[in-house]
Amino acid sequence: ETGVTQSPTHLIKTRGQQVTLRCSSQSGHNTVSWYQQALGQGPQFIFQYYREEENGRGNFPPRFSGLQFPNYSSELNVNALELDDSALYLCASSLRPTGNTEAFFGQGTRLTVV
Amino acid sequence: QQQVKQSPQSLIVQKGGISIINCAYENTAFDYFPWYQQFPGKGPALLIAIRPDVSEKKEGRFTISFNKSAKQFSLHIMDSQPGDSATYFCAASGADSNYQLIWGAGTKLIIKP
Repeated sequence: ETGVTQSPTHLIKTRGQQVTLRCSSQSGHNTVSWYQQALGQGPQFIFQYYREEENGRGNFPPRFSGLQFPNYSSELNVNALELDDSALYLCASSLRPTGNTEAFFGQGTRLTVV
Repeated sequence: QQQVKQSPQSLIVQKGGISIINCAYENTAFDYFPWYQQFPGKGPALLIAIRPDVSEKKEGRFTISFNKSAKQFSLHIMDSQPGDSATYFCAASGADSNYQLIWGAGTKLIIKP
């Protein structure tokens, strides 16, 4: 186990609703990255938080937003859910923001939008 | 230029055989190339990673071969075992991607007993 925990593990929402996904980072890690993984594809970077500030964002619309708390846990919020938002959402924590640092992934949250 | 192209999409190998997965990239600023292993219902886990200053890195049965001039890197799994059956992702990062990982599409590997 990586020490990164995500909740909930599965979620079903209706189109137009809002959802909040949660991630507890590994002890000592101050950086959390969120990814969206559609079925049969590689993860797509959504954004990263470093010491409570957003530190980079992928090609996702503003209705995807996030937070990082003083204990470095993090939330991903998605507003106005669309059917295409159905995916596995992965959280990864690392010691620092640079990409050449090992990232430890949680088991993911499977979001289904109907 | 930010893409990482991975092949094959799926691979079936007999137990004890060698599994080979290939990746190609365009961005010469990439300087970190990890491979991740993902089992169903789990998040990806780092398997092995390489930087462009070496041409090969070996950890147990897993080897990365890196060809800087061709902008290609590959994962070799020696003596493949049924427990290696998983989806494998290559990735790359560097200054141009703000050090965020750019992922390949994945290879579903099945090891037949």
